[in-house]
Amino acid sequence: NAGVTQTPKFQVLKTGQSMTLQCAQDMNHNSMYWYRQDPGMGLRLIYYSASEGTTDKGEVPNGYNVSRLNKREFSLRLESAAPSQTSVYFCASSGMSSGNEKLFFGSGTQLSVL
Amino acid sequence: DAKTTQPPSMDCAEGRAANLPCNHSTISGNEYVYWYRQIHSQGPQYIIHGLKNNETNEMASLIITEDRKSSTLILPHATLRDTAVYYCIVRVALGGGSNYKLTFGKGTLLTVNP
Repeated sequence: NAGVTQTPKFQVLKTGQSMTLQCAQDMNHNSMYWYRQDPGMGLRLIYYSASEGTTDKGEVPNGYNVSRLNKREFSLRLESAAPSQTSVYFCASSGMSSGNEKLFFGSGTQLSVL
Repeated sequence: DAKTTQPPSMDCAEGRAANLPCNHSTISGNEYVYWYRQIHSQGPQYIIHGLKNNETNEMASLIITEDRKSSTLILPHATLRDTAVYYCIVRVALGGGSNYKLTFGKGTLLTVNP
């Protein structure tokens, strides 16, 4: 039982390049989330998926796209990377436990855009 | 969104109780208070949550004031491994459905000293 798995752990891109961050969970959770964390800051929600087949924008969606491929997988795509997207990206999932929401996080992807 | 206010940093001696305060004066009646922590650059880890009653689990205790405008997270016997950033969060509903978001502020850096 691995929980939430993110790949890659580190990535360096040049401005304008594209890439996809992968996330998979094995807890049979319905909801999945993508957050970014800039140095010295809290986490900000980029996109979320309440269930398979649905996605919605969070606080900072510009420059990103997501795909909920199936119940397990939720990917984040940067079509044309910009230096402002240098950040640590966290994927999370949650299942309703007794009507309350606990988020389980992956270990993060450190992305640098040069 | 209900916002939270936490001190930026606190120190605690190893083996002593760590009491981390949080103000959430604009919290609504059905909004839960969640606590997470983030050790170094790992993904945040769930600690505890509550609505209006005090809660205790194997990690910590949560004391919520009667007016629900503030809460305190208590780590009863802090260890060096408890050094982390602690986030106090008010859970907010997304749209009109049963999905929620957790907005992470800057949190409190707790340093446990030997």
